[in-house]
Amino acid sequence: EPEVTQTPSHQVTQMGQEVILRCVPISNHLYFYWYRQILGQKVEFLVSFYNNEISEKSEIFDDQFSVERPDGSNFTLKIRSTKLEDSAMYFCASLPGLAGVEQFFGPGTRLTVL
Amino acid sequence: DQQVKQNSPSLSVQEGRISILNCDYTNSMFDYFLWYKKYPAEGPTFLISISSIKDKNEDGRFTVFLNKSAKHLSLHIVPSQPGDSAVYFCAASAEYGGATNKLIFGTGTLLAVQP
Repeated sequence: EPEVTQTPSHQVTQMGQEVILRCVPISNHLYFYWYRQILGQKVEFLVSFYNNEISEKSEIFDDQFSVERPDGSNFTLKIRSTKLEDSAMYFCASLPGLAGVEQFFGPGTRLTVL
Repeated sequence: DQQVKQNSPSLSVQEGRISILNCDYTNSMFDYFLWYKKYPAEGPTFLISISSIKDKNEDGRFTVFLNKSAKHLSLHIVPSQPGDSAVYFCAASAEYGGATNKLIFGTGTLLAVQP
């Protein structure tokens, strides 16, 4: 069964460093999302992406964040200058198309900022 | 801003009995509701959804009930099995499909099914 994959599973970085989290959505899906979950808190929407541009972003998704679909398969989240409070699980999700609400989630990347 | 609330952080039931997980929401613009299950170190896995035009949706052992006037939904698992032990998230969306279909999640309920 097709699935969303994410790499790396765990990323440790120093505060102020740039990180890139990678996702490979399900191949025929059209809509892509990033969510994050700070330990002990709810899963929060960050950004949605369609047709090579951002469709919607939350207040969390400030200028330090960017997303890109550099080729036909990868979908990346970049944090330019990480802060301690960026430590969280980051989930990528994808949606097949206009018909449906069930987003398919990847296993997540645990980001630890020291 | 808690638009979706799951007031029970945990629930413990015996194998074979019914598990009932509850969720409340405040935003009347929500039109679709979903339940996701999450095991440790994995991403959320979709279980079942319901549109606001329905009050019940069933899929095998899982049934979701929606009370739109009370802004309340519940997930029933019958019979509960030890493999159902996981965190269950309620999520809501104001859109059907498309890039604006962001999901708003509750805080989750940890279900433990005792053998």
